[in-house]
Amino acid sequence: DAKTTQPPSMDCAEGRAANLPCNHSTISGNEYVYWYRQIHSQGPQYIIHGLKNNETNEMASLIITEDRKSSTLILPHATLRDTAVYYCIVRVAIAGGTSYGKLTFGQGTILTVHP
Amino acid sequence: NAGVTQTPKFQVLKTGQSMTLQCAQDMNHEYMSWYRQDPGMGLRLIHYSVGAGITDQGEVPNGYNVSRSTTEDFPLRLLSAAPSQTSVYFCASREASGNTIYFGEGSWLTVV
Repeated sequence: DAKTTQPPSMDCAEGRAANLPCNHSTISGNEYVYWYRQIHSQGPQYIIHGLKNNETNEMASLIITEDRKSSTLILPHATLRDTAVYYCIVRVAIAGGTSYGKLTFGQGTILTVHP
Repeated sequence: NAGVTQTPKFQVLKTGQSMTLQCAQDMNHEYMSWYRQDPGMGLRLIHYSVGAGITDQGEVPNGYNVSRSTTEDFPLRLLSAAPSQTSVYFCASREASGNTIYFGEGSWLTVV
C-alpha cells in the first residue's frame, strides 16, 4: 500500500470548514483513498473513500487532485464532536480472496475544533 | 444490529497468564481482523481471517493466536501475556465485496 503523509495536527473554529490534506505521491492506479477517523477511546469510523473523482456523502467531501498524488478531506461545518484523529489511507480496492487489503494506519492528523 | 462487539472492555493480566479477547459480529461479514493500538500510534494488524476456517498473520502476530470456527466469532488468544502486549485491541469486520470496515469499541489490556 502507498505511504501517506499528513500534518500531525490542525485547528478549526466551530462552524467553519475543516480541510485536512493528505499526500500520497506513490499511489498506484488501482489504489483507493480512504478516510477514517478515531474519536478518543473509540474504534475508527469510516468517513469516505474515492478513486479519482471527487466524492461527497453526509459526513464529508473528498477532493482528489487530477494526478491523484494528494487529496483533501473537507468537513463543511465542523462541530466540537468532529474533534478526532483523522487517518488518510490508500489501499488496493477489494479483489476478493486473501487480498484483505490490510489497512495501514499512519499517525494521522489530530483535528481540534474549538468554540 | 449490534455491529462488532468486543469483550471484555478492560482487563488486567499478570505476566505469563493467558486470556482470550472475544469478538463477535452480527452482519454476516466474511472478513474479520484484530488490530492493536499503542499510545500515539496508528493501528497495527495482528491477525485476520477471510472466512470461517481461514486465518492469516498480519504485521505483529507474535504472541497471539486466532481461530475462526464460525462466521460470527473471531477470538484473539494471548498464550503467555507479556508487558509488551499492554495495548488497546480493536476487532474489525467487513463484507468480502465491501469497502467499509466496521470496528468494535476496543478492549483495554494491561499486563503487569
